[in-house]
Amino acid sequence: RKEVEQDPGPFNVPEGATVAFNCTYSNSASQSFFWYRQDCRKEPKLLMSVYSSGNEDGRFTAQLNRASQYISLLIRDSKLSDSATYLCVVNMMEYGNKLVFGAGTILRVKS
Amino acid sequence: DAGVIQSPRHEVTEMGQEVTLRCKPISGHDYLFWYRQTMMRGLELLIYFNNNVPIDDSGMPEDRFSAKMPNASFSTLKIQPSEPRDSAVYFCASWGTGGTVGYGYTFGSGTRLTVV
Repeated sequence: RKEVEQDPGPFNVPEGATVAFNCTYSNSASQSFFWYRQDCRKEPKLLMSVYSSGNEDGRFTAQLNRASQYISLLIRDSKLSDSATYLCVVNMMEYGNKLVFGAGTILRVKS
Repeated sequence: DAGVIQSPRHEVTEMGQEVTLRCKPISGHDYLFWYRQTMMRGLELLIYFNNNVPIDDSGMPEDRFSAKMPNASFSTLKIQPSEPRDSAVYFCASWGTGGTVGYGYTFGSGTRLTVV
């Protein structure tokens, strides 16, 4: 089983739609969680951290469910510029500070 | 801050040649990571350093790969001899414990390696 698993998509949505991605992780000892965004042929960039209580940043909302070991990202009012690959990331802190990346979910927002 | 700087941006080499990739982390960051990204395998951690010391190299695919960090501001990833299956984008990332884990890592722009 992969340490971090994501649906690869692609998710094709119209502008203005709400879209949600889920991610599961295998190591219950994991303590830090993130969503990264990667544009085509670019480096990954931190989108947001994911906290136990859930957190929101503008149109983006991240949730963590430790009992079920999954993380979610909700994007409201999708923009064309949201088109990218979204990477779910888990810090395997029992092995030092080591971020493990999911394979990513492709989002395509169309006009 | 100039961010994480990698060089070269692109490298095309012939099979069997030695390839050296370079990385300058953000000043003050004490962790440095080398990742490789391919369509088939996604982002894979190859090795990481803490205070210039290699901590985990379990992701290094084989003996043809080696990495060094002679000082806090410079690291290299070397492939010798290179093979076509090494073709990928290699990312370097750094992180500082003086900040907060919540800020994640900062990645360089990557080196796109093609071995023909």
